[in-house]
Amino acid sequence: EVQLVESGGGSVQPGGSLRLSCAASGFTFNNHWMHWVRQAPGKGLVWISHINNDGSSPHYADSVKGRFTISRDNAKNTLYLHLNSLRVEDTAVYYCARDPTGEYHFDYWGQGTLVTVSS
Amino acid sequence: DFQMTQSPSTLSASVGDRVTITCRASHSISSYLAWYQQNPGTAPKLLIYKASTLQTGVPSRFSGSGSGTEFTLTISSLQPDDFATYYCQQYDDYPWTFGQGTKVEIK
Repeated sequence: EVQLVESGGGSVQPGGSLRLSCAASGFTFNNHWMHWVRQAPGKGLVWISHINNDGSSPHYADSVKGRFTISRDNAKNTLYLHLNSLRVEDTAVYYCARDPTGEYHFDYWGQGTLVTVSS
Repeated sequence: DFQMTQSPSTLSASVGDRVTITCRASHSISSYLAWYQQNPGTAPKLLIYKASTLQTGVPSRFSGSGSGTEFTLTISSLQPDDFATYYCQQYDDYPWTFGQGTKVEIK
């Protein structure tokens, strides 16, 4: 069974940092691109980043470019998102999601982890 | 960026109704469109990809159609589990973008 389990969310002040993790199981992790998608409270879904199989090609939405860094450790079957220079508007549930085969949609999602940025 | 516009934003329906949700893209996206269902407090679930291909395990009452700029998601006979919010997503070009969502509520 495919499982994605996020962790690392929490409350942080503006300008702070966090590292989110997404532990994957039930599939061959290094065969799949992976994504992060976020959802602000009561709002819709927003794609923010993805990374290819071997981690050599990350991509970001403009809203997080230069502040967030996506990475992966295929030996640990884990996806990461480093969040720096956090802003109030980054408050959201952050989901990791699996890409079937570099097709840029999302066939499995984690349960999400909440990041709250507030002073 | 591609803008994705869903209509309606909210839809009131009864169990057994046929329901149609529309998603329009600001530019042609060929058939690079997916549909997701999200229940409150849970992660989205993939229903349909490539505009009309049903994801494995999704009931056949869900169907998708369209290409270019106009797409539809149809639920042929609404079931209690289907009261949820539905999102379309384009994956023709960066950044991958979602519609604003359509909430299907009980009439």
